[in-house]
This record gives sequence, structure tokens and C-alpha cells, in this order.
Amino acid sequence: DAGVIQSPRHEVTEMGQEVTLRCKPISGHDYLFWYRQTMMRGLELLIYFNNNVPIDDSGMPEDRFSAKMPNASFSTLKIQPSEPRDSAVYFCASSLLILYNEQFFGPGTRLTVL
Amino acid sequence: AQSVTQLGSHVSVSEGALVLLRCNYSSSVPPYLFWYVQYPNQGLQLLLKYTSAATLVKGINGFEAEFKKSETSFHLTKPSAHMSDAAEYFCAVSEKGSNTGKLIFGQGTTLQVKP
Repeated sequence: DAGVIQSPRHEVTEMGQEVTLRCKPISGHDYLFWYRQTMMRGLELLIYFNNNVPIDDSGMPEDRFSAKMPNASFSTLKIQPSEPRDSAVYFCASSLLILYNEQFFGPGTRLTVL
Repeated sequence: AQSVTQLGSHVSVSEGALVLLRCNYSSSVPPYLFWYVQYPNQGLQLLLKYTSAATLVKGINGFEAEFKKSETSFHLTKPSAHMSDAAEYFCAVSEKGSNTGKLIFGQGTTLQVKP
């Protein structure tokens, strides 16, 4: 398996623009997680899905953030409109419950909002 | 509620010296425990995990960790640091039998290795 795949790897956009981050989890995994990492706040869990259903979105910072998982092999995290304080590295991770909840992380998307 | 505390946000050692990164957890039931490493500009990757087999767990790159229930600790060690070990290290916990799928991560410890 190729592991968790994220795209794009880098995104530079201007304030007010819509940003869509994409994630392909490891085939067969039943959980998918979106994290944000910044120097100030560290690693934060934004939202996670189980079998494509959102379970906990309490970490989503504002209504400007939304996430979907239309099928088992694809998820998106959208920011609309984007703001400079959204600049961060966004990670997607997937896991299989029977594997002790071990999470497998993607390489991340580095987002810069100007 | 579960929590993880990593003592020391920054640790600096000399090349060849012992590495000790501390992790304490709180959990109402015996947990699964993990150490992840994040090299610069990369995602997190698993170093090792404790899943209730042997209490001394060996991982990649010469790292190991010991689960001590009485101390609620899972400290990470390596006998001799290498320059390539410079990275950020995260301890994480998951409760056995939990169906949330979540891991609770510590705040991370940045390891600096001096020549």
C-alpha cells in the first residue's frame, strides 16, 4: 500500500479564497482523522470519521472549516474563506480499530494564507 | 478522561549520549501506548507501541520504551544518540476497548543532538 496520500503538498493562497485539502486513506482502514499543526498550538485534532461518518468535529475551529468523506477512499477538508491564521500544516491519518488504534499519517499539506 | 504529559518540551543531548524522553499518562483502564517521531517537514511515523505484551518494547532506530504501570509512565530511551535522531517526538495513548478510535497525543518533545 502507498500509505496515506495527501494533496496538494503545498498550497499558497490569498486571504478570502477557498482552499480544499484532499486525503486518500490506507485501503481498508475504518477511521480517518484530520489534524492541524502550528508552532503555537502544536498538534490539534480537527475532526474524525468512522466508516465515512463524522464522529467528532469539536476540534473544527470555525464554521469556515468543513470536512467530508463521500466514500471510504477519499476525504476533503475545506476552508472558506481562508484567513492568514489558518496557515499551518494539515495532516490526515487513518487507522483500523482492531490494530490498537495505531494511526498512519500522511505527509501533510503546508498551507500558507497571505 | 485520558491525558498524556510529556515532561520537557525541549531536550538537548550530545551525540553518543543517552536519550531519555519522558511520558506519563492517565487512563481509567490499561492503555495502548505509542511513540511517534516527526522529522522536519515530514508526517508522524510510528517508533514503537505497547499493546500489553512485553512491558519493554523495542522500536526502530535503536529506540525502546518501558511500560511501568505503577508509575503510569512510558519513557522513551536510546543508549547512544545520533545526529539523525534530531526530531520531534510524540507520546500517545488509546484506551483498550475504546471504540472511539482516537489517540490522545502529548504536546511533543523536540530532541536536539549536539555534535
